[in-house]
Amino acid sequence: ETGVTQSPTHLIKTRGQQVTLRCSSQSGHNTVSWYQQALGQGPQFIFQYYREEENGRGNFPPRFSGLQFPNYSSELNVNALELDDSALYLCASRRDRDVSYEQYFGPGTRLTVT
Amino acid sequence: AQSVTQLGSHVSVSEGALVLLRCNYSSSVPPYLFWYVQYPNQGLQLLLKYTTGATLVKGINGFEAEFKKSETSFHLTKPSAHMSDAAEYFCAVSHSGGSNYKLTFGKGTLLTVNP
Repeated sequence: ETGVTQSPTHLIKTRGQQVTLRCSSQSGHNTVSWYQQALGQGPQFIFQYYREEENGRGNFPPRFSGLQFPNYSSELNVNALELDDSALYLCASRRDRDVSYEQYFGPGTRLTVT
Repeated sequence: AQSVTQLGSHVSVSEGALVLLRCNYSSSVPPYLFWYVQYPNQGLQLLLKYTTGATLVKGINGFEAEFKKSETSFHLTKPSAHMSDAAEYFCAVSHSGGSNYKLTFGKGTLLTVNP
């Protein structure tokens, strides 16, 4: 069973640019969530996608957007990058009917904004 | 609204000593509680979870945690620390709300194990 994978591993962008991060969910998982983990902090929920639609969002501005594809993979897009967007971005997947409520995390993408 | 407080951003123990990492939560509905571990430059790995049933839950690598509703706590313990336990530990709370199972994390506790 293939786990959650994310690409790229590391990324350096300049303030004002746009970035796209990618996530392949674990086999059989139809729900994907994205989290932002700033240095020295716990992960913060950005949003969740289910059946290709956003169905839950944390306290993040609209310049954070996403997509989920029919194969359940997902993208996180961030426009107009700010220095504070520098963080580890984690993707997590699960089955919507999984009563264990466990989310499986990928290794993350480290984004640095200069 | 849910929240998690982890007491102690850094805990240091000797190898073989008891590990105790503290977590208190706030939730307006019955919570689901989780402990995750994060090794340097890696993602999160689930150690254990409480959803319903037995309040003492056992996880991987010899860790266990007890859900105490009256104290709103879910502290993580391990009887004897090993050098390989050195990592950052996160407590998280969730609850079922339709199909939205977002996790709310604490700020983490860095565990160091001294030889």
